[in-house]
Amino acid sequence: DAGVIQSPRHEVTEMGQEVTLRCKPISGHNSLFWYRQTMMRGLELLIYFNNNVPIDDSGMPEDRFSAKMPNASFSTLKIQPSEPRDSAVYFCASSFGGAGLNGELFFGEGSRLTVL
Amino acid sequence: SQQGEEDPQALSIQEGENATMNCSYKTSINNLQWYRQNSGRGLVHLILIRSNEREKHSGRLRVTLDTSKKSSSLLITASRAADTASYFCATPNDYKLSFGAGTTVTVRA
Repeated sequence: DAGVIQSPRHEVTEMGQEVTLRCKPISGHNSLFWYRQTMMRGLELLIYFNNNVPIDDSGMPEDRFSAKMPNASFSTLKIQPSEPRDSAVYFCASSFGGAGLNGELFFGEGSRLTVL
Repeated sequence: SQQGEEDPQALSIQEGENATMNCSYKTSINNLQWYRQNSGRGLVHLILIRSNEREKHSGRLRVTLDTSKKSSSLLITASRAADTASYFCATPNDYKLSFGAGTTVTVRA
């Protein structure tokens, strides 16, 4: 089993540029989460999809952030335009049924974003 | 928010010693989970304890849960250098997990 696959692993970009992060969840999982990790704020949930439908995007910082899940095997998180304060590690995680039921989220290795 | 809070923030121990870290949370839960994160890597699920369980073991890991005190502890016995990592407790709120700030454990050879 390949696990959750994220790309790119590292991205360095300049302020104002568009950034697209990609995620392939584990096959068969119906829940997908995007988290952001920083030293100051820890792990923050940005958005949650269930069966490819966004259920909760209350954690998305602002309109510059958008996320899509066009099918069960692919999701993107886009930042446009990017700002230095967006620098963080972005994690995608998937599960079957959501954390409240069986628990266990499977995380990807993360995408480390640096905005100069 | 049901975010857990870990204590201590950091822990340094000698190889072979035990490491204990604690987690407190705010509201009722149906399970509590512990995750490990090695430097530069994603989080890995270690163990889940349900609200009707008081103690659970997995290899060298022992987790306790006290729902009356809204607290949990993670014990790593006979630590190894490979146990050097950050450890997070996580509590579910419906479909999503909220994570604490984590305990950074350093195991010295």
